[in-house]
Amino acid sequence: DIVLTQAPLSVSVTPGESASISCRSSKSLLSSKGITSLYWYLQKPGKSPQLLIYRMSNLASGVPDRFSGSGSETDFTLKISKVETEDVGVYYCAQFLEYPRTFGGGTKLELK
Amino acid sequence: EVQLVESGGGLVQPGRSMKLSCAASGFTFSNYGMAWVRQAPKKGLEWVAYISYDGGSTYYRDPVKGRFTISRDNAKSTLYLQMDSLRSEDTATYYCTTPPFDYWGQGVMVTVSS
Repeated sequence: DIVLTQAPLSVSVTPGESASISCRSSKSLLSSKGITSLYWYLQKPGKSPQLLIYRMSNLASGVPDRFSGSGSETDFTLKISKVETEDVGVYYCAQFLEYPRTFGGGTKLELK
Repeated sequence: EVQLVESGGGLVQPGRSMKLSCAASGFTFSNYGMAWVRQAPKKGLEWVAYISYDGGSTYYRDPVKGRFTISRDNAKSTLYLQMDSLRSEDTATYYCTTPPFDYWGQGVMVTVSS
């Protein structure tokens, strides 16, 4: 199975500042079709997860452009610029290259 | 508006069975693969199973293979998860979702305990 390792486990950010979350894969997520199958989700407290970023760097519909995704074949970063109170929650990366689909362990974002 | 509404959860004894349902609306259900993702209390997300748009292909995570069965009724726009031989480690909130998990239901809690 592909293992996704997120860091840090938690991050505390002052509103208006930026935050970055890392996700490292045990295997390249670049498919033969040239698609990098890494996705990012946010689970706000008490809510279902929501898709933020698809295929490493594409913003999902309705997601503010404060969120951005980047990376290589095995190392990925979610950046949140100008963090707002509504960004609080747990962030997960996930891979869709192969079965079983796997998630990272999650990174909790809190406000200072 | 896409809606996914799970039902069928609750308390069940170890070794018993339970069947979850997910009623879909707001999109052409029969055109899309579907999946179940679960989350144990205070834990992270865990993919459970996937079924193709026509039910012709299914995939499961290893610990549930042979115990869980994902199925669908396209005429009713409903996804199912039949869970047999339940274990305490299956205790979780189960979410119905559309790969690549862009839409999610509200989740249904399954508690396996004697």
